[in-house]
Amino acid sequence: DGGITQSPKYLFRKEGQNVTLSCEQNLNHDAMYWYRQDPGQGLRLIYYSQIVNDFQKGDIAEGYSVSREKKESFPLTVTSAQKNPTAFYLCASSLDPRDRGSGYTFGSGTRLTVV
Amino acid sequence: EDQVTQSPEALRLQEGESSSLNCSYTVSGLRGLFWYRQDPGKGPEFLFTLYSAGEEKEKERLKATLTKKESFLHITAPKPEDSATYLCAVQAFNAGGTSYGKLTFGQGTILTVHP
Repeated sequence: DGGITQSPKYLFRKEGQNVTLSCEQNLNHDAMYWYRQDPGQGLRLIYYSQIVNDFQKGDIAEGYSVSREKKESFPLTVTSAQKNPTAFYLCASSLDPRDRGSGYTFGSGTRLTVV
Repeated sequence: EDQVTQSPEALRLQEGESSSLNCSYTVSGLRGLFWYRQDPGKGPEFLFTLYSAGEEKEKERLKATLTKKESFLHITAPKPEDSATYLCAVQAFNAGGTSYGKLTFGQGTILTVHP
């Protein structure tokens, strides 16, 4: 079945540690996105990528980094510079964003907790 | 800056009690308005895309409508399995008249339907 796979489902990070969240899709979608979700807040865009080897910062990129070496993969690294990383992280993909109205397909999320 | 505000924040209904969720938006040029359903601990699931004022779409007990300033998600005779968080998002045209696919989300409405 086609879809987006995020791993791990739960992740615990110690202070000062970098961690990487995995996102893989087999939908042949061009664009991929990372969002952060906090209780009572909407999804906030961290980074997005429209094509391989290219990505742009979203609204809250500080303390995060990404890569897009393959079309199907878009990993997110939460660095020690991110001071409040505890949140639910969602990866999404869509067809060519120039296509009108292409909705997102979301993964099942990774819950990151600082310990 | 694009903005999306959803109301109410939480809504409790009895099974069979119809109601509506509101999504007010401010966007420079609307390319599309999206509704998603999100169950606890999971990624959002795509429901509808609306493109222009006056448009309506239906799926089972859900009906989405759109005006120039807001969208409504009408729920007719809800069942307990309709309990979830409902998210609204907008996609805007950029200055060049195209769009890079970024969605701006509201904070969501938590719907609880009691049997």
